[in-house]
Amino acid sequence: DGGITQSPKYLFRKEGQNVTLSCEQNLNHDAMYWYRQDPGQGLRLIYYSQIVNDFQKGDIAEGYSVSREKKESFPLTVTSAQKNPTAFYLCASSTTGTLNTEAFFGQGTRLTVV
Amino acid sequence: AQKITQTQPGMFVQEKEAVTLDCTYDTSDPSYGLFWYKQPSSGEMIFLIYQGSYDQQNATEGRYSLNFQKARKSANLVISASQLGDSAMYFCAMRDYTGGFKTIFGAGTRLFVKA
Repeated sequence: DGGITQSPKYLFRKEGQNVTLSCEQNLNHDAMYWYRQDPGQGLRLIYYSQIVNDFQKGDIAEGYSVSREKKESFPLTVTSAQKNPTAFYLCASSTTGTLNTEAFFGQGTRLTVV
Repeated sequence: AQKITQTQPGMFVQEKEAVTLDCTYDTSDPSYGLFWYKQPSSGEMIFLIYQGSYDQQNATEGRYSLNFQKARKSANLVISASQLGDSAMYFCAMRDYTGGFKTIFGAGTRLFVKA
């Protein structure tokens, strides 16, 4: 079945550590996205990538980094520079060039700083 | 700049009644797409309905319909015959060419369906 897989589902991080969240898709989508969601809040865009080896900052990129070495993969690293990383992280993918196709989402990773 | 506004943090509806969730948007691009997603407590995002800026008719998908008023830049979601399983967060979202096809989301509305 085609879809997006995020791992792990739950992640605990000590303060000062970097952690990497995995996102893999087999939908053959060119575009991939990372969103952050805080409790009771909307989705805020962290980074997005429209094509391999290229990505752009979203609204809240500080303290995060990404790579897009393969079409299928878009890992997100939460660095120690991110002061308040505890949140729910959602990865999504979509086609590009058309407006009428929805974004497909993974199941999310819940990150907690301990 | 792109912007999505959802002004209702929470809404209550009686089971079997209809409910309207509000969404206004802002974009300078004449071509755009509007989406609604449902997020149950499990956290997954479920696509509900799509409306294109040039579509002449309001979109419908089963119990979901979109009340699209282009001049007012509003795209309200109407859920008919509410069910207990409709209790969830609902997000309005938009894509346009100027924004590089990225999807932006509103703050969401939490819907509570009462038995």
